[in-house]
Amino acid sequence: GAGVSQSPSNKVTEKGKDVELRCDPISGHTALYWYRQSLGQGLEFLIYFQGNSAPDKSGLPSDRFSAERTGGSVSTLTIQRTQQEDSAVYLCASSFSSRGSSGEQFFGPGTRLTVL
Amino acid sequence: GDSVTQMEGPVTLSEEAFLTINCTYTATGYPSLFWYVQYPGEGLQLLLKATKADDKGSNKGFEATYRKETTSFHLEKGSVQVSDSAVYFCALRSGSARQLTFGSGTQLTVLP
Repeated sequence: GAGVSQSPSNKVTEKGKDVELRCDPISGHTALYWYRQSLGQGLEFLIYFQGNSAPDKSGLPSDRFSAERTGGSVSTLTIQRTQQEDSAVYLCASSFSSRGSSGEQFFGPGTRLTVL
Repeated sequence: GDSVTQMEGPVTLSEEAFLTINCTYTATGYPSLFWYVQYPGEGLQLLLKATKADDKGSNKGFEATYRKETTSFHLEKGSVQVSDSAVYFCALRSGSARQLTFGSGTQLTVLP
């Protein structure tokens, strides 16, 4: 079956603009995660969705970052008033359940965001 | 909090050499441990995993053993190939968290 897909694959924006990044998880996966991969910071957790529960936003770096997940499937990560330090690869992952024996997550190819 | 400390790279080896990438962790409870690999231009892929102490994860000739006494999960391969060139990430998921905590990644280059 299809894996996790993300769009766009690349996004170049100007400082101060808003951007939206999209993630389509694997069908049937109830858990969805956003991570950020940036130079000098490695892979950082941003936000997590599990079914209809309230998301875990503990990894969001500032209130300029938000995410939603509609209908328990597609998710959108929004960054408002982008800054140069937001430049990174944003990765989405999904899994069957956060309480599985291993919590195995499947990753999408990522969106490379460049803020000029 | 949870953390993963990974051997710094980059690592450059000749084909058929032995590979070890060290990984140690700090976590509450009994975490599950993972190695992910990121090939050039591709997304992260799960390479292997272990969910309890003394478990050995293996895949594609790579192995790692969950050592609770030393809080380690070192990645090994007896004979690397050029196609193994990639970035390798050690990660954990502890019982109290849902997200993965990653190490900083190790860039491996295998020369023919």
